[in-house]
Amino acid sequence: DTAVSQTPKYLVTQMGNDKSIKCEQNLGHDTMYWYKQDSKKFLKIMFSYNNKELIINETVPNRFSPKSPDKAHLNLHINSLELGDSAVYFCASSQDISGPQHFGDGTRLSIL
Amino acid sequence: QKEVEQDPGPLSVPEGAIVSLNCTYSNSAFQYFMWYRQYSRKGPELLMYTYSSGNKEDGRFTAQVDKSSKYISLFIRDSQPSDSATYLCAMSGAAGNKLTFGGGTRVLVKP
Repeated sequence: DTAVSQTPKYLVTQMGNDKSIKCEQNLGHDTMYWYKQDSKKFLKIMFSYNNKELIINETVPNRFSPKSPDKAHLNLHINSLELGDSAVYFCASSQDISGPQHFGDGTRLSIL
Repeated sequence: QKEVEQDPGPLSVPEGAIVSLNCTYSNSAFQYFMWYRQYSRKGPELLMYTYSSGNKEDGRFTAQVDKSSKYISLFIRDSQPSDSATYLCAMSGAAGNKLTFGGGTRVLVKP
C-alpha cells in the first residue's frame, strides 16, 4: 500500500484554468506538507498543516489555497494557472511537527 | 547565496566504490539533518535522519554532521548500480519542521 499518494500524477492544462491536486496518507501522521520542485530540482516548502490547522504558509501567491478536510488528506487548489506554475508538486507527511517527512511521488503540472 | 549548498554532480563511480556526498549550510539554527534519495519521476525517499552533530550508520550508509563547520556528509559503501539516483540533503531548525533542501547531487554507479 502506498503511504503517501497523490492524484493526479500528471496534469496538463491551459493558462488561466483552475485545478486541484489531492493527497492522502495512510500512515496515521498528524502533519502534512506541500512542496514545489522546480526545473532545477530545488524543493521548496509551500504549506504545512498539523491536525488540520495551517502552521506553515510560505511566500506563495494567494492563487494557491490548501485545504485539509481531515488529518489524512491535504488538497491543493490553484486558481488562474500561470506558466510559472509548471513544476512537480510533492505532498509529504510526518508523525508530528518534528518528525522525519515521507514524500509522495509527485504531481507533474504542465501549463500550456 | 543559498542556505544549503550541494554540488549538482554528476558523480560517477565504479560499482563497489565508496560514494561520498556532502552539503554545506549557513544557518546555525539547523539541528535536524536528513538525506533523501530520489529516483527519476519518483518522490524523495528518506535514507538517514540525524539530530545535531555526530555519526550515524545504517547498513551501507553513514551520515556525518559537523555543526561547527556547518558541513554534513553521506557515505555509501559497496555502491551498486541501483544506488544511481539524485541524493538530496535537507535540514530544519528546532522550531517547526520546515525543511530546507539542497539542490541534489546526481550519482551514477557504473557496473
